[in-house]
Amino acid sequence: QSVLTQPPSVSAAPGQKVIISCSGSSSNIGNYYVSWYQQFPGTAPKLLIYDNDKRPSGIPDRFSGSKSGTSGTLGITGLQTGDEAHYYCGSWDSSLSAGVFGGGTKLTVL
Amino acid sequence: QVQLVQSGAEVKKPGSSVKVSCKASGDTFRSYAINWVRQAPGQGLEWMGGIIPIFDTAHYAQNFQGRVTITADTSTSTAYMELSSLRSEDTAVYYCARDRAGCSGGGCRPYYYGMDVWGQGTTVTVSS
Repeated sequence: QSVLTQPPSVSAAPGQKVIISCSGSSSNIGNYYVSWYQQFPGTAPKLLIYDNDKRPSGIPDRFSGSKSGTSGTLGITGLQTGDEAHYYCGSWDSSLSAGVFGGGTKLTVL
Repeated sequence: QVQLVQSGAEVKKPGSSVKVSCKASGDTFRSYAINWVRQAPGQGLEWMGGIIPIFDTAHYAQNFQGRVTITADTSTSTAYMELSSLRSEDTAVYYCARDRAGCSGGGCRPYYYGMDVWGQGTTVTVSS
């Protein structure tokens, strides 16, 4: 069981918008930053969002992040078939004194 | 261009140890922390631990306490992750990834903002 909770899968049609949630607690997301990662099969994860809502250079503004209380969300607009991947959220957990990840969400673009 | 370059694939026997290296370019070691994340076949990401080289302080996930040692050699900008008492469940891809060390009340943490540069991954297979 992952410390952060994500839906196992989400799907939407090309051009549509999808939201991926990441639920935590006061010991992690409630008091620390959320970051989001995109991973294609056989490749290393790629940072999409850091500091809850900031995009690294080169990440399209179709990707957005937000945080409210003990939950974070990743939004992807204008879905493309190339967005099909696994998405992970992560944060620091003060109770565990450790980094923690969500279990990952597989995005399918129908 | 900042890079993290990891050592090659390893095949180990149960009960043995493995040491994976991660060489950083640029000024990574002066300003960043190095984290180790593993991914078992078909599974999600698992944080193992991290080190802040300029402080030479390491944090470890409870699941790996006593079995993992993370070190850093600032003279060569190389971080190492050694995992001992290997078992078949340790078969996975092991990644190093950097983050800006985050310091606030309570200390400094190797994973704080987001891991922006990742190594290519090192496959470790544990099999008799």
